[in-house]
Amino acid sequence: QKEVEQNSGPLSVPEGAIASLNCTYSDRVSQSFFWYRQYSGKSPELIMSIYSNGDKEDGRFTAQLNKASQYVSLLIRDSQPSDSATYLCAVNMGQAGTALIFGKGTTLSVSS
Amino acid sequence: DAGITQSPRYKITETGRQVTLMCHQTWSHSYMFWYRQDLGHGLRLIYYSAAADITDKGEVPDGYVVSRSKTENFPLTLESATRSQTSVYFCASSENPGLAGGRLHEQFFGPGTRLTVL
Repeated sequence: QKEVEQNSGPLSVPEGAIASLNCTYSDRVSQSFFWYRQYSGKSPELIMSIYSNGDKEDGRFTAQLNKASQYVSLLIRDSQPSDSATYLCAVNMGQAGTALIFGKGTTLSVSS
Repeated sequence: DAGITQSPRYKITETGRQVTLMCHQTWSHSYMFWYRQDLGHGLRLIYYSAAADITDKGEVPDGYVVSRSKTENFPLTLESATRSQTSVYFCASSENPGLAGGRLHEQFFGPGTRLTVL
């Protein structure tokens, strides 16, 4: 069974701190990795895509990928209360066309 | 407006009734997907479609039917609704991998339909 694992949280950080979210996946041939943000009652919103080993930065967000360890992470710098949401890790594992396998999400709470 | 829309946004029905959830996208994306999201299970793929008239099963297809006669529409039908189908349903779309360039496999979600089966 192809799986994506995330700690459910909640992960609590103070405003201005760095939030670190982690994800592991089971299929070594995976090629595309994503982080989605989902506010309560809303749909998932794509915030980061990463395809190669290493870091990818976009504003306050940095995605890190290590294919050898089957590990992908998301760092949020200068966390804001508006970052409080559930973060979903998603991986394309080469099955079902371009379909993604989603983790169950990590809930982040940023306190002011 | 461009994007992906779903209708209805909220639906209450009774066990045994047929229900159709609509999904429409204006990006001309080749791929479309239906997911359901439940507490404790996360997002699970129900069906997907690679193009008009091409559909295939996902992880949890039982009790659902899809069709795709036009690229922009991908309706999901519950033939005889059951209480276990109470969920939030999301439609998503993505570009053909051959055309996606550096945005391979990126999926974009509609606003969702909250379905309650009594």
